Amino acid sequence: DTGVSQDPRHKITKRGQNVTFRCDPISEHNRLYWYRQTLGQGPEFLTYFQNEAQLEKSRLLSDRFSAERPKGSFSTLEIQRTEQGDSAMYLCASSLGLGLGPTTEQFFGPGTRLTVL
Amino acid sequence: TQLLEQSPQFLSIQEGENLTVYCNSSSVFSSLQWYRQEPGEGPVLLVTVVTGGEVKKLKRLTFQFGDARKDSSLHITAAQTGDTGLYLCAGDNDMRFGAGTRLTVKP
Repeated sequence: DTGVSQDPRHKITKRGQNVTFRCDPISEHNRLYWYRQTLGQGPEFLTYFQNEAQLEKSRLLSDRFSAERPKGSFSTLEIQRTEQGDSAMYLCASSLGLGLGPTTEQFFGPGTRLTVL
Repeated sequence: TQLLEQSPQFLSIQEGENLTVYCNSSSVFSSLQWYRQEPGEGPVLLVTVVTGGEVKKLKRLTFQFGDARKDSSLHITAAQTGDTGLYLCAGDNDMRFGAGTRLTVKP
């Protein structure tokens, strides 16, 4: 296991379609994060899992967005009824966290670039 | 939610020059991370600072954590074109990043 992987790397879709992205974290990492990044900005936090439990969701995550990590390993992020404003880079990161302690040293995947036409 | 402010937002310099970028907050952090991101890729961790007043060096990069653990700086000596990228800071108390400093080093 050499790092965090994301699939696909690029996705072009039409407005109104549903899309799903996958993230495979570093295998021994118990925490997994999803971020969205638009051009010229830093990553914006969307949600985070510790094992299979989704512990926090940003208010940025509208009801069209859902994330799962059913077995505490890989995660999926689904966007329903995509809008042009959803166009962004979607980044996944993982880390090793102790209990509910702070997050440090996240390892990022290469991202999925979504373009909504 | 803590707000991490990074400055400057953009910086363009010639190869060989020195530079400093800043990360400031009104909140106290147990630790703070610096990342560098290249176009089309995810951020890559450069360093974690944990102790107030701490200075860490990574080759030509020097990271300092403020005494009060609310701010940090990154100094690059004799910048090279390979230093070009988006420099991001993140605090450990939640999963929030600053907007970053976009550095361009021209040959």
